[in-house]
Amino acid sequence: AQTVTQSQPEMSVQEAETVTLSCTYDTSESDYYLFWYKQPPSRQMILVIRQEAYKQQNATENRFSVNFQKAAKSFSLKISDSQLGDAAMYFCAYRRTQGGSEKLVFGKGTKLTVNP
Amino acid sequence: GAGVSQSPRYKVTKRGQDVALRCDPISGHVSLYWYRQALGQGPEFLTYFNYEAQQDKSGLPNDRFSAERPEGSISTLTIQRTEQRDSAMYRCASSLGGGTAGNTIYFGEGSWLTVV
Repeated sequence: AQTVTQSQPEMSVQEAETVTLSCTYDTSESDYYLFWYKQPPSRQMILVIRQEAYKQQNATENRFSVNFQKAAKSFSLKISDSQLGDAAMYFCAYRRTQGGSEKLVFGKGTKLTVNP
Repeated sequence: GAGVSQSPRYKVTKRGQDVALRCDPISGHVSLYWYRQALGQGPEFLTYFNYEAQQDKSGLPNDRFSAERPEGSISTLTIQRTEQRDSAMYRCASSLGGGTAGNTIYFGEGSWLTVV
């Protein structure tokens, strides 16, 4: 079974500084996708960044980047120059397609607080 | 439509009543998913449709839960004989599908269900 573990229930960062959120996953598959979603207090689910497992290069989206370590099954999110609007729950998710089914498996989330 | 639309946004029902939650996916999206999210938890997969075919219902907790998508567009998640433990946010999501796991999954704003 695929599982996703986020070991940090809560994190805090000072505005303008950098923070890294951890995520590990368990899978026997070789081809899959990984995502980070942001859930602000409004409870929307917003895609932050995605990574294809077959790509060695780490994905980057503006201030957001990932450190993808396939062998270690690790997929951490780095937020640079943190802003007040980054405060939210962050969920790491693993996605696979097999046997006609597609699903996202989510971690339990990390609550990020940004201090002014 | 512009985004994934869900209704009702909020539903309070008495224990033992049946409820139906509606999802209108993004126009042209083949894949449709239902997730459940309890407070303080990540979304939990319930079921997946490819067009009108329910390809995976492994996440439905028991036989009180069912879902349909008869014309390959709008979907309904039905919970019969509701129990207090069913209280949660129920999220619908959709993607272009076509067997491409990298397609972005777009989430609706969710339906909050409270069983009293």
